Amino acid sequence: AQKVTQAQTEISVVEKEDVTLDCVYETRDTTYYLFWYKQPPSGELVFLIRRNSFDEQNEISGRYSWNFQKSTSSFNFTITASQVVDSAVYFCALSEGETGANNLFFGTGTRLTVIP
Amino acid sequence: DSGVTQTPKHLITATGQRVTLRCSPRSGDLSVYWYQQSLDQGLQFLIHYYNGEERAKGNILERFSAQQFPDLHSELNLSSLELGDSALYFCASSDPSESIHYGYTFGSGTRLTVV
Repeated sequence: AQKVTQAQTEISVVEKEDVTLDCVYETRDTTYYLFWYKQPPSGELVFLIRRNSFDEQNEISGRYSWNFQKSTSSFNFTITASQVVDSAVYFCALSEGETGANNLFFGTGTRLTVIP
Repeated sequence: DSGVTQTPKHLITATGQRVTLRCSPRSGDLSVYWYQQSLDQGLQFLIHYYNGEERAKGNILERFSAQQFPDLHSELNLSSLELGDSALYFCASSDPSESIHYGYTFGSGTRLTVV
């Protein structure tokens, strides 16, 4: 059965510190997609990244970077030089199947608080 | 604006009542997904429609039902409401033919409060 684990319930960091949010997943499918979403205090879910199971290349987008390691079934998210606007709940999610258009299984989320 | 429109944004209703939540997907998207976010259950998949047909069901209660209309908008009907149904209900849309870098697009949600 599929499962997404975000062991860190809450993290607090001081502004400009780096922070890594952990995500571990379980699936029996060989083809799957992993996602990160941000949910700011306003409540909407903001798409950050999607990665398929055949692409283990790490990705960097500005201050955000993602480390995908199939060997450890992890898809960790690092924010460099955190800012107050990064304060939000971050969700890791898994979608199984070839198209990635199947439903998402979400982790329980990590609440990040960046202290000015 | 994500392009996925959900109405209403807020809804307060009494136990035992029935409500309808509406979702208009992004232009061109054929798939609509409904998710429920509650404090105790987290974010859970409810149901998926593709071009008018039900594709998958998740943890959707029998008191809940959904449909997708020919114009691709979708409605989630919640009946015999209980206090525990209070949650944020999200709609998301996607089109499988899109770029592999495309992610599901979520609406801003409908916050349902049952009193």
